[in-house]
Amino acid sequence: DIVMTQSPDSLAVSLGERATINCKSSQSVLSSSNSKNYLTWYQKKPGQSPKLLIYWASTRESGVPDRFSGSGSGTEFTLTISSLQAEDVAVYFCQQYYSPPYTFGQGTKLEIK
Amino acid sequence: EVQLVESGGGLVQPGASLTLSCAASGFSLNVYWMYWFRHAPGKGLLWVARLSPDGNNKLYADSVKGRFTISKDNARSTLYLQMDSLRADDTAVYYCARFTDGRFGYWGQGSLVTVSS
Repeated sequence: DIVMTQSPDSLAVSLGERATINCKSSQSVLSSSNSKNYLTWYQKKPGQSPKLLIYWASTRESGVPDRFSGSGSGTEFTLTISSLQAEDVAVYFCQQYYSPPYTFGQGTKLEIK
Repeated sequence: EVQLVESGGGLVQPGASLTLSCAASGFSLNVYWMYWFRHAPGKGLLWVARLSPDGNNKLYADSVKGRFTISKDNARSTLYLQMDSLRADDTAVYYCARFTDGRFGYWGQGSLVTVSS
């Protein structure tokens, strides 16, 4: 199984400041056949279903504000929120869908400082 | 508009069975891979099962293999998750999701399953 490890476990950032969340996979999730990274980022708020933010490691889902961006390749990935807004308080998860079981990181809790 | 609506959750005793339903609208189940995930309280998200568009390819997480069965009724546009021999550690909110173009872009609102005596 591919193990996904996020850091940090929790993060407090001031409004308007940058938030950075890291995700490492225990093996590469980069496909040699299409050069795509099978890595997704979600935002999860209490009582809500996961909201897709980023797929293919760096493609922003339609409707997601452009302050959210994804980067990285192979085994190391980053989700960046360029200017934190109050509504961004949530838990963020990365997920690999390169091979089953489709594993998630443990989550990073993002709060306002 | 694409919508997924889960139902069927509830409180059951250990060893009992329960079937979750996921009503799909705005698309056809015979076109997309469909998945079940779960989120246990205070824990991370977990993939549970997947089903191919033709219904012939099924795959399960090791933790539910042999106990859970994923299926669908295309005519009713409904995805199912039959859960047998439920255990306390199956307690979670269960979500169905649609996969397409490299992403799980649509999720249901979730159905809570509580396994407790």
